[in-house]
Amino acid sequence: DVVMTQTPVSLSVAIGQPASISCKSSQSLVGTSGKTYLNWLLQRPGQSPKRLIYLVSKLDSGIPDRFSGSGSETDFTLKISRVEADDLGVYYCLQGTHFPLTFGSGTKLEIK
Amino acid sequence: EVQLVESGGVLVQPGRSMKLSCAASGFTFSSFPMAWVRQAPTKGLEWVATISTSGGSTYYRDSVKGRFTISRDNAKSTLYLQMDSLRSEDTATYYCTKYTFDYWGQGVMVTVSS
Repeated sequence: DVVMTQTPVSLSVAIGQPASISCKSSQSLVGTSGKTYLNWLLQRPGQSPKRLIYLVSKLDSGIPDRFSGSGSETDFTLKISRVEADDLGVYYCLQGTHFPLTFGSGTKLEIK
Repeated sequence: EVQLVESGGVLVQPGRSMKLSCAASGFTFSSFPMAWVRQAPTKGLEWVATISTSGGSTYYRDSVKGRFTISRDNAKSTLYLQMDSLRSEDTATYYCTKYTFDYWGQGVMVTVSS
């Protein structure tokens, strides 16, 4: 199984400050199509997960451009340029290239 | 508006069965593979199963293989998860999601306990 190692476990960030979350996979996430199926999701308290980014860096509709995704092969990063109060919750990376699909263990973002 | 509405969750004894349903609307259900993802209390997300558009191909995580069956009825725009031989470690909130993971249901709680 592909292990998704996500760091840090938690993050406390002041409003307006940047945040960065890392996700490293135990093997390359480049699929046979040449696409890299790496997603970032946010689960706010008491809510279902919501996809923010797909295919490493593509922003979902309605997601502010304060969010960005980058990386390749086995090393990926989610960045928030300026944290807002609404950004609190648990962030997960998810690889969709190899079965079984696997999630990172989550990063809890708190507002300082 | 895309909607995924799960139903069927309840308290069940170990070894018994339960079937979850997910009613989809707002998109062409038959055109999209679908998946179930679960989340044990206070834990992270865990992929459970995926089904192709026709239902002809299914994929499962090892821990549910042989016990869970994912299926779909495209005429009814409904996704199912038949769960047999339930174990305490299957206790979780189960989410129905499009396989692209861009839309999720509200989740349904399944508790396996005597």
